[in-house]
Amino acid sequence: GQNIDQPTEMTATEGAIVQINCTYQTSGFNGLFWYQQHAGEAPTFLSYNVLDGLEEKGRFSSFLSRSKGYSYLLLKELQMKDSASYLCAVRDRGYSTLTFGKGTMLLVSP
Amino acid sequence: NAGVTQTPKFRILKIGQSMTLQCTQDMNHNYMYWYRQDPGMGLKLIYYSVGAGITDKGEVPNGYNVSRSTTEDFPLRLELAAPSQTSVYFCASSRTRLAGDEQFFGPGTRLTVL
Repeated sequence: GQNIDQPTEMTATEGAIVQINCTYQTSGFNGLFWYQQHAGEAPTFLSYNVLDGLEEKGRFSSFLSRSKGYSYLLLKELQMKDSASYLCAVRDRGYSTLTFGKGTMLLVSP
Repeated sequence: NAGVTQTPKFRILKIGQSMTLQCTQDMNHNYMYWYRQDPGMGLKLIYYSVGAGITDKGEVPNGYNVSRSTTEDFPLRLELAAPSQTSVYFCASSRTRLAGDEQFFGPGTRLTVL
């Protein structure tokens, strides 16, 4: 099975940098996804990591350490619109399905 | 492309009623999924399908049924609605199961069972 942990809530200030952590314990691992979900909306894809290291995409970066079962999502130059829930998800051994964490609610204040 | 569409957007059911949540995708994706999301919780997989005619149970399948007669459609059936099925339901699809292929989500159906 899969066990995925993320902080429940985080707060940050506009223009700042925030790091959202995700730890996982899985029976098999074939990649880790980060999704963003605004209140009342569907999740949308942010990033994917399957190898160790940092993937950068504009203001967002995601890091993976497979040996530690650890990932983080780094958001730079925070904007008010970044206030959302951020979901960490692990792809299982068979590739077909994702297991999601409970999500981290990020509140960006002026 | 409309992507993944779901109907209805909202629905209130009485205990014991049945209903079908519709999901359609126009991206010719083979893989389709149904999730439920309860407040403060992540997405829980109900059922998924790897192609027309093939379905499999996810983490929380009890009380639900699915079918996949075409590539485009993946309806979710609730036979005897219970208050525990009050949730937001998301349908998703992906092109393949290869590494990096993301899932695209529909807008969701908010279901209340009273």
